[in-house]
Amino acid sequence: SQQGEEDPQALSIQEGENATMNCSYKTSINNLQWYRQNSGRGLVHLILIRSNEREKHSGRLRVTLDTSKKSSSLLITASRAADTASYFCATAPHKYIFGTGTRLKVLA
Amino acid sequence: DAMVIQNPRYQVTQFGKPVTLSCSQTLNHNVMYWYQQKSSQAPKLLFHYYDKDFNNEADTPDNFQSRRPNTSFCFLDIRSPGLGDAAMYLCATSRDDWTVNTEAFFGQGTRLTVV
Repeated sequence: SQQGEEDPQALSIQEGENATMNCSYKTSINNLQWYRQNSGRGLVHLILIRSNEREKHSGRLRVTLDTSKKSSSLLITASRAADTASYFCATAPHKYIFGTGTRLKVLA
Repeated sequence: DAMVIQNPRYQVTQFGKPVTLSCSQTLNHNVMYWYQQKSSQAPKLLFHYYDKDFNNEADTPDNFQSRRPNTSFCFLDIRSPGLGDAAMYLCATSRDDWTVNTEAFFGQGTRLTVV
């Protein structure tokens, strides 16, 4: 059964703007991971945040985790056209089962 | 260097003709997964191997089978492909299963067309 669900389903922004997408999940987790998928390609792991962490950074990515609300957000700062992709979350220990993702389009 | 390699990238098969997709990894990971992804949908987990132990998802059709002859290789066999099986098939690996803090590594996928 689906554990993580991303929203919004689609997001369109201008280059240079920030993009925020969210993931909600149902049961307690060990960690939450974000993946990116470029069109027609496999998924690429972006970042993993553990259940005892509240915030994590990696380059232009910032992930927050609120276990009380069972939700996470992924912020991409200063977006680029190359960030255009679908973004998925997955949680452990719930197998690598993905939601339908957020389709981000960054307009040049 | 590619760490999870799927061959071929594109596969065309005839309706009802058995087809095999392959995946290899250079990471020496214990776990290998197969996903089916249809257009604009989430990747759907079909099954996974933890070492030699095969784990099928409850809703995976019997038409889909898998083999893992050794650590490096895993195959997806579709015994009688139907038009509804046209999709991207993704292979992934992880060092350990999802109970530990480990990430999954994906191949580039094989796009299957059924004619």
